[in-house]
Amino acid sequence: GAGVSQSPSNKVTEKGKDVELRCDPISGHTALYWYRQSLGQGLEFLIYFQGNSAPDKSGLPSDRFSAERTGGSVSTLTIQRTQQEDSAVYLCASNSIGGTSYEQYFGPGTRLTVT
Amino acid sequence: TQLLEQSPQFLSIQEGENLTVYCNSSSVFSSLQWYRQEPGEGPVLLVTVVTGGEVKKLKRLTFQFGDARKDSSLHITAAQPGDTGLYLCAGARAYKYIFGTGTRLKVLA
Repeated sequence: GAGVSQSPSNKVTEKGKDVELRCDPISGHTALYWYRQSLGQGLEFLIYFQGNSAPDKSGLPSDRFSAERTGGSVSTLTIQRTQQEDSAVYLCASNSIGGTSYEQYFGPGTRLTVT
Repeated sequence: TQLLEQSPQFLSIQEGENLTVYCNSSSVFSSLQWYRQEPGEGPVLLVTVVTGGEVKKLKRLTFQFGDARKDSSLHITAAQPGDTGLYLCAGARAYKYIFGTGTRLKVLA
């Protein structure tokens, strides 16, 4: 079946502009996660959705970052007034929260470059 | 605060050599996963270990979860160039995943 998809794959924007990053999770997956990865390092947790609710937003770096999820499916991560330190790969993952293994399935990511 | 430390951070070896990557934490996790990530792609799950002391084998890869469920190791036997990539461990606690710092492996032909 179809995996997790993200768009755009690459985004170059000027400092101060707003950007929207989109994630389409695997159909039927109730849990959705956003992560940020800098310079091919480990992943930094940003936000967790269960259905359309976000019980954990603790990883959002500042109030310039926000995310929403609609219909228990598509999610959008918005970064307002982008800064150069926002440059990174933004990854989305989903899972069905079944059993005890909590396996995640990742999209290919959006590479954001702020100039 | 990084809860999961991986070592080594970088590793460059010749084809056919063996290697071990470590993932250490002071916190207990309900399960621990290992992922491999290639350039331009998202991480891909290799294995999940759930029980303390558990050992899982996936062809040339052997994964072990520590008895106290705080640490894990990945051992690769007879490494091949196709094993090249970024290896990430991730500890699960309830719904949340804490990722390690990553080990970048390069296997030279």
